[in-house]
Amino acid sequence: DAKTTQPTSMDCAEGRAANLPCNHSTISGNEYVYWYRQIHSQGPQYIIHGLKNNETNEMASLIITEDRKSSTLILPHATLRDTAVYYCIVMAGGSYIPTFGRGTSLIVHP
Amino acid sequence: AAGVIQSPRHLIKEKRETATLKCYPIPRHDTVYWYQQGPGQDPQFLISFYEKMQSDKGSIPDRFSAQQFSDYHSELNMSSLELGDSALYFCASSPPPRGFALSYEQYFGPGTRLTVT
Repeated sequence: DAKTTQPTSMDCAEGRAANLPCNHSTISGNEYVYWYRQIHSQGPQYIIHGLKNNETNEMASLIITEDRKSSTLILPHATLRDTAVYYCIVMAGGSYIPTFGRGTSLIVHP
Repeated sequence: AAGVIQSPRHLIKEKRETATLKCYPIPRHDTVYWYQQGPGQDPQFLISFYEKMQSDKGSIPDRFSAQQFSDYHSELNMSSLELGDSALYFCASSPPPRGFALSYEQYFGPGTRLTVT
């Protein structure tokens, strides 16, 4: 699976959009981009995933660049409850074990 | 919506004792995964089961074993417990793939906090 690079930490004001970047320059054609988050001491939570098209669900939007070498997770209206560690994980199609590591600690402040 | 259920939520054991953690996946999910998360660490994959058969193995110690039953629930058995086994243990489940999709998302339970003294 391709390696990913994320900023160690970010902060965002409540009610504003949180844009979390992820670099995956070595991604190959059959690899998906997944986003999970983990609120302190809770189980990781699946957010969204995509292959090459932008995706949106009730939680977030995923924007993948045309060359697929980077992506951005967008939380449109961040709340205090969105404070968590966000993991960007790249996995090949058919692979189903995410490797968690070095995510972005997002702090949403009032 | 139904979520993954784990029991117990908290468990305290002494060194060299055994422990059994239980996981009940979301209904109609056929794959179960176990993860271990030590203090200040990221979740580490231990083992997974698909249709009651072990499907993948991660960094699971030989002292640990697991199985998935006919009702799809899973148990993680831990023997000869060591202080270093103190951690959060998460179970996750995933649904069967839809159509030709080759993507899998996992849904995690709340975890069992194991403390070994």
